[in-house]
Amino acid sequence: GQQLNQSPQSMFIQEGEDVSMNCTSSSIFNTWLWYKQDPGEGPVLLIALYKAGELTSNGRLTAQFGITRKDSFLNISASIPSDVGIYFCAGATYSGGGADGLTFGKGTHLIIQP
Amino acid sequence: DAGVIQSPRHEVTEMGQEVTLRCKPISGHDYLFWYRQTMMRGLELLIYFNNNVPIDDSGMPEDRFSAKMPNASFSTLKIQPSEPRDSAVYFCASSSAREAKLYHGYTFGSGTRLTVV
Repeated sequence: GQQLNQSPQSMFIQEGEDVSMNCTSSSIFNTWLWYKQDPGEGPVLLIALYKAGELTSNGRLTAQFGITRKDSFLNISASIPSDVGIYFCAGATYSGGGADGLTFGKGTHLIIQP
Repeated sequence: DAGVIQSPRHEVTEMGQEVTLRCKPISGHDYLFWYRQTMMRGLELLIYFNNNVPIDDSGMPEDRFSAKMPNASFSTLKIQPSEPRDSAVYFCASSSAREAKLYHGYTFGSGTRLTVV
C-alpha cells in the first residue's frame, strides 16, 4: 500500500525559531494536506495543496506540493508556544468518484522550549 | 455546529469483552471515516461510508472488527472480542462530497481512547 515518510519524527526548538518538516511518498498523490493534532483532540486541517509546484500560505505556515507529486514540505515561521503539537502530512488520490480515505504520515512532534 | 461527536471519550475494558464506539457526524455530511491511531502505526484508515453504505473496509484488521451506519447521523465501530493489541485512539471523521473533492476538509472527532487490559 501507499506509505508516507515524514521527517523529522520530533523537533525541539526555541520559541521564535522557524520550523521545517517534510513528507515523501513512494507513489504519486494528487492532493497533499497538512494537519495539526493537539493533545486529546483529533487532527485539524491546516493547509491543502492541489497542484504540483503549488506554494500556499496560511498565516505563519507555508506549504508546498512537490513537482514530482511525491513530496511536500511545511514551514512554520517564528514559532510560538501554541504551535506545540503533532503535525501530520496526508496524501490523497482521486479516481474521479468523490471522497477517498487519506494516507497519513507518522507525524512530527513539535516541542517548543521556553 | 457541534462538530463530529464521539462517545465514549475513554473506554477501559477487559480482554474478551465487546466494545462499541459511537460517532455522530456533522449534519449534512455524506462521508464518514473511521481511523485508528497508535504510536507504532500512526493514523490508519479502517473503513469509510458514503451515504450510509460501506465503500472500503480493506483497513479493518480482522473479523473481530465491524462497523455499521444505520442512518446518516450515527455510526458504530464494534470490536468483539477485544484484545490488548486493540488499544488505541479511534477517530471518526466526516465530510461532504463537495468539500471532500475541493478541500479534503475532513472534520475529525475528538476520538475514543480504548484500553484493553
